[in-house]
Amino acid sequence: DSGVTQTPKHLITATGQRVTLRCSPRSGDLSVYWYQQSLDQGLQFLIQYYNGEERAKGNILERFSAQQFPDLHSELNLSSLELGDSALYFCASAVGGVQETQYFGPGTRLLVL
Amino acid sequence: TQLLEQSPQFLSIQEGENLTVYCNSSSVFSSLQWYRQEPGEGPVLLVTVVTGGEVKKLKRLTFQFGDARKDSSLHITAAQPGDTGLYLCAGAGSQGNLIFGKGTKLSVKP
Repeated sequence: DSGVTQTPKHLITATGQRVTLRCSPRSGDLSVYWYQQSLDQGLQFLIQYYNGEERAKGNILERFSAQQFPDLHSELNLSSLELGDSALYFCASAVGGVQETQYFGPGTRLLVL
Repeated sequence: TQLLEQSPQFLSIQEGENLTVYCNSSSVFSSLQWYRQEPGEGPVLLVTVVTGGEVKKLKRLTFQFGDARKDSSLHITAAQPGDTGLYLCAGAGSQGNLIFGKGTKLSVKP
């Protein structure tokens, strides 16, 4: 158990819909990273938040957004969903967020039908 | 663009065999990490290597970081069915994120 929690574990929805994925980092960690894992692309970095502020952006689509709340939990919002958005979404947390060990949650498996 | 290429993509071996998985890049990384991921779970960190030429051992697993810090290898001795999983290498990106290879899917048959 990494100490990072993610909900829900599974999500099935239809194209065009909007979903919210939630992540609670390890106690004491200020950074949250979001990654997408698909069969053909592997694990891709989406976005990082540090202590409530966006710190870095990766290959995140404009239809996707995220935020980190004062209690440090984070949410990833995916809208206008397409079939190709079906993937595993992981969050990871770290203490400071710069080249430190990241601890991964169990992931949310999203299936868009 | 920093990329990490892993080989082989798939590996199926018998229990007791040895194997080596490779992680290569044309870019220099300040550190490389190896993760193991089981189905339905998130990646779990196995080791971090930071010094060129560094060798780290974790029981039957030996990790090596290339002298030029562009490549790494993972060697497993006497593989066991419990070693089955997806092995991922990851390097520190310029933004503090991790850049992952696509992984090597290892299956060890009893």
